[in-house]
Amino acid sequence: DAGVIQSPRHEVTEMGQEVTLRCKPISGHNSLFWYRQTMMRGLELLIYFNNNVPIDDSGMPEDRFSAKMPNASFSTLKIQPSEPRDSAVYFCASSLAPRFRGVTTYNEQFFGPGTRLTVL
Amino acid sequence: EDQVTQSPEALRLQEGESSSLNCSYTVSGLRGLFWYRQDPGKGPEFLFTLYSAGEEKEKERLKATLTKKESFLHITAPKPEDSATYLCALQAAGNKLTFGGGTRVLVKP
Repeated sequence: DAGVIQSPRHEVTEMGQEVTLRCKPISGHNSLFWYRQTMMRGLELLIYFNNNVPIDDSGMPEDRFSAKMPNASFSTLKIQPSEPRDSAVYFCASSLAPRFRGVTTYNEQFFGPGTRLTVL
Repeated sequence: EDQVTQSPEALRLQEGESSSLNCSYTVSGLRGLFWYRQDPGKGPEFLFTLYSAGEEKEKERLKATLTKKESFLHITAPKPEDSATYLCALQAAGNKLTFGGGTRVLVKP
């Protein structure tokens, strides 16, 4: 069974360029998360979706960052324009969040292999 | 504000030398405490979820415990393949996870 798939695995770009990171969650999962990991700040949540709807984007650094989830099997994280301080490893994760009697319960998140972004 | 602090930052062990990692937290309403393992160049791999004080879970040489203020990850008789960074994360409101800084564990043969 395929896990979370991310592409590209590595991206090197120049300052000012647009960068698009892609994620395919585990089939059947209905929650998707974008994280950023750096040595200085550790693992930070950027945004998450439930049933393709953005729920919390309070971790998105600034307007240069945007994320979309057009369907249950695909999400993108876009940075435009990119800056050297955006260099980091970006992870996508998914989980199953079932609703029972109107209450959503949250299960463990499964992470993809990450995209290492370097902005020169 | 929810906070998670892990200690120590790094741990060097001899093979077979048992030890414990600490995860201290402050949260207004804990829904779950998660432990993950991360190998270099890979994404975090789920290990355990703990939901209430007094709960314990085990997997091979790892055992996680939870109190009202902290969680411990005990590594019993570690092997070199247990070398990794161990991350704890707490879940409060919604589906957000707040991660600690991690503990880098190196087990030498």
